[in-house]
Amino acid sequence: NAGVTQTPKFRVLKTGQSMTLLCAQDMNHEYMYWYRQDPGMGLRLIHYSVGEGTTAKGEVPDGYNVSRLKKQNFLLGLESAAPSQTSVYFCASSFTPSGSGSDEQFFGPGTRLTVL
Amino acid sequence: AQKITQTQPGMFVQEKEAVTLDCTYDTSDQSYGLFWYKQPSSGEMIFLIYQGSYDEQNATEGRYSLNFQKARKSANLVISASQLGDSAMYFCAMRELLTQGGSEKLVFGKGMKLTVNP
Repeated sequence: NAGVTQTPKFRVLKTGQSMTLLCAQDMNHEYMYWYRQDPGMGLRLIHYSVGEGTTAKGEVPDGYNVSRLKKQNFLLGLESAAPSQTSVYFCASSFTPSGSGSDEQFFGPGTRLTVL
Repeated sequence: AQKITQTQPGMFVQEKEAVTLDCTYDTSDQSYGLFWYKQPSSGEMIFLIYQGSYDEQNATEGRYSLNFQKARKSANLVISASQLGDSAMYFCAMRELLTQGGSEKLVFGKGMKLTVNP
């Protein structure tokens, strides 16, 4: 049981390049999330998914796209990277929606992305 | 919208002593949940403890306990008998409902850095 995994762990891009971050979970969770963490700040939600084939915008969605073709995978894409997207990206998943008590979100190890 | 405030940028504590990490929150919801996560230097987010707004007792998990004062809207984390491995960033978070599918996001505070000295 690997939990939540993220690929890659580190990446350096040049401005304008594109890339896809992969998140995979083996806990059969319905809900998956992409957050970004910037220095001196907590995590902020980029996009989320409530189930296979669904996606929705979070707090800071501009410049990112996502897809959830399979229940266990949630992909985050940057079509044209900008230096402002330099950040640490975290994927998370959970089994139940809000109101379900102490069901926490399980986080992946993070991807450190630098855009030059 | 929910808001989490962590005003202590950093704290130092001696090994084996207890330490309290402050967290205040703002919400208009009657039902809500509060979380504490630990982020060591390796970067992963580790869930520590949860407190529901209707829980009558303060949550405890091993050396972690939550001093929940609903009227003051505070949810301070207490770590007893600090260990060197407790040195990390600590984030307080609150769940916030999202528009789609009854899902939720976590609203995080800015975090605070705890350093445990030998």
